Amino acid sequence: QTVVTQEPSFTVSPGGTVTLTCGLSSGSVSTSYYPSWYQQNPGQAPRTLIYTTNTRSSGVPDRFSGSILGNKAALTITGAQADDESDYYCVLYMGSGIWVFGGGTKLTVL
Amino acid sequence: EVQLVESGGVVVQPGGSLRLSCAASGFTFDDYAMHWVRQGPGKGLEWVSLISWDGGGTYYADSVKGRFTISRDNSKNSLYLQMNSLRAEDTALYYCAKGLGSNSRLCMDVWGKGTTVTVSS
Repeated sequence: QTVVTQEPSFTVSPGGTVTLTCGLSSGSVSTSYYPSWYQQNPGQAPRTLIYTTNTRSSGVPDRFSGSILGNKAALTITGAQADDESDYYCVLYMGSGIWVFGGGTKLTVL
Repeated sequence: EVQLVESGGVVVQPGGSLRLSCAASGFTFDDYAMHWVRQGPGKGLEWVSLISWDGGGTYYADSVKGRFTISRDNSKNSLYLQMNSLRAEDTALYYCAKGLGSNSRLCMDVWGKGTTVTVSS
């Protein structure tokens, strides 16, 4: 069974740039997987950041961007702010109506 | 404003059954596919199931296939998840999520606040 991989944790300095990735245990992520990204703060429901690789959801600041980097999907945060400290999840479309989430990345802004 | 309100979460014994509901408002319900996603205590998000806009297509994670059934009633703007043969590992906060469109290749968009299911004796 294919596993969707994410870095368990990442630390970025305030004002810095960080790129979180979303890969596959076997194979490469492409736009055909319709990668999407979510932000989740403790005790809250997820918030949609990016869908279909690089489209920002309504109201999401443009410091968040999505792309394909090499064989992975990527979420880049440019000019990180304190309130970007959160858990980030990617999800990939595996075909035949099936979606799989990555394990999530805990981002610390420090 | 799009709103999704889940209900039906309770404490249930292993092997038991439960039906979750999600009441949708603020959008044309039958224009969109709908998802269930769960999150175990202290764990990450796990996609559970997807239903097409008209209920004609239903899809499941391997972990719930054969035990859970997703359905919808477009006349009532409601989504359901029938959960049978419940196991301890089904303990989670269950979110209802609106798809971005009618196409199953479009991800979850707006999320409800979730309803908690606890499977315990």
